[in-house]
Amino acid sequence: GDSVTQMEGPVTLSEEAFLTINCTYTATGYPSLFWYVQYPGEGLQLLLKATKADDKGSNKGFEATYRKETTSFHLEKGSVQVSDSAVYFCALGNTGGFKTIFGAGTRLFVKA
Amino acid sequence: NAGVTQTPKFQVLKTGQSMTLQCAQDMNHNSMYWYRQDPGMGLRLIYYSASEGTTDKGEVPNGYNVSRLNKREFSLRLESAAPSQTSVYFCASSESVGTGGFQPQHFGDGTRLSIL
Repeated sequence: GDSVTQMEGPVTLSEEAFLTINCTYTATGYPSLFWYVQYPGEGLQLLLKATKADDKGSNKGFEATYRKETTSFHLEKGSVQVSDSAVYFCALGNTGGFKTIFGAGTRLFVKA
Repeated sequence: NAGVTQTPKFQVLKTGQSMTLQCAQDMNHNSMYWYRQDPGMGLRLIYYSASEGTTDKGEVPNGYNVSRLNKREFSLRLESAAPSQTSVYFCASSESVGTGGFQPQHFGDGTRLSIL
């Protein structure tokens, strides 16, 4: 079945450092891919998405490119801020289905 | 801009008690979901409702029941609470798959449930 694997955390960075959180997937067909972010005490919220190969999703300085050849959707940000500290979830959804498949989440700590 | 509203936000129960978690969305979405989130376990799907009038089991349905009351509301019931059901419960909703492909989910802020 479909699955998502993302790097284990926690990831600890200093402010203004470069961020990469790796995500790879296994799926049949042509899934849509998502990154969600969860701040302390809140629910998940959509950060960015990509619906087809080579699409780049971007939001709030974060980017991820849908790479079908490597089945990856890595999240990147050029300069993190303390306010980016949160848990990040990679996810996929397949056309014809109703369920989103979530990765286990990666906790990010950013130090001032 | 309420989005997905969950009530209550916090609840403490004793083993064996019952309770219903409420969820309502104001985005006219067809599909609704209940998840639980436990430390180190990520999100696990309990039940979902693809459209009004239908419900289906997810990964961890045992000990829970659901009701899709109408298009807006989807409730989760614990008939006889157990300590293993201590968790944070999230409700989510999404539009049906359309020309834009699979649609993202919109989450509530969760219900933090402790069972003693």
